[in-house]
Amino acid sequence: DAKTTQPTSMDCAEGRAANLPCNHSTISGNEYVYWYRQIHSQGPQYIIHGLKNNETNEMASLIITEDRKSSTLILPHATLRDTAVYYCIVRVTANEKLTFGTGTRLTIIP
Amino acid sequence: GAVVSQHPSWVICKSGTSVKIECRSLDFQATTMFWYRQFPKQSLMLMATSNEGSKATYEQGVEKDKFLINHASLTLSTLTVTSAHPEDSSFYICSAALQGSGGYTFGSGTRLTVV
Repeated sequence: DAKTTQPTSMDCAEGRAANLPCNHSTISGNEYVYWYRQIHSQGPQYIIHGLKNNETNEMASLIITEDRKSSTLILPHATLRDTAVYYCIVRVTANEKLTFGTGTRLTIIP
Repeated sequence: GAVVSQHPSWVICKSGTSVKIECRSLDFQATTMFWYRQFPKQSLMLMATSNEGSKATYEQGVEKDKFLINHASLTLSTLTVTSAHPEDSSFYICSAALQGSGGYTFGSGTRLTVV
């Protein structure tokens, strides 16, 4: 699996957009970028995933650079409930094990 | 959406006893399930991959005789921590791979405390 690099922590004001970067410079052409988050003492929650194109769902948007070496997860209007650790993971296929890095601890500030 | 139900959510046991944690897929069949362990302020560490009807594959450093995994049906996988010791106290999380979407859904986790 390609490795990912994320900032250890970030703060964001409530109501503003939270932009979480992820570097995956060694990603292969067939590897997807997945984002999960873990709220304290809960199991991880799926947010979004993509291969090449930018993606948007009800939770977030995923912007992948043209060379696919980095991506940004955008939470458009952050709320206090978005405080969590966010993990960026790259992998190839279903049934392939997910390897979690240290993630980014996002704190939403009132 | 696909839901994985994990029980119990927390358990306290005496040192030397065994504890079983269940993970059920409620509205889909899970051919493959994963078991993770998470210590305080650390990331999730994969312990083993469980495939229905076959033996689990353990990650390096995980004792297969201590952490028994059974995946006897397409909707149930269990993790048994045998002869638990205080150092086994941790947050255990199961996950199931979703066919089609390629994503994964996670259980809510089990907080194990061994006293």
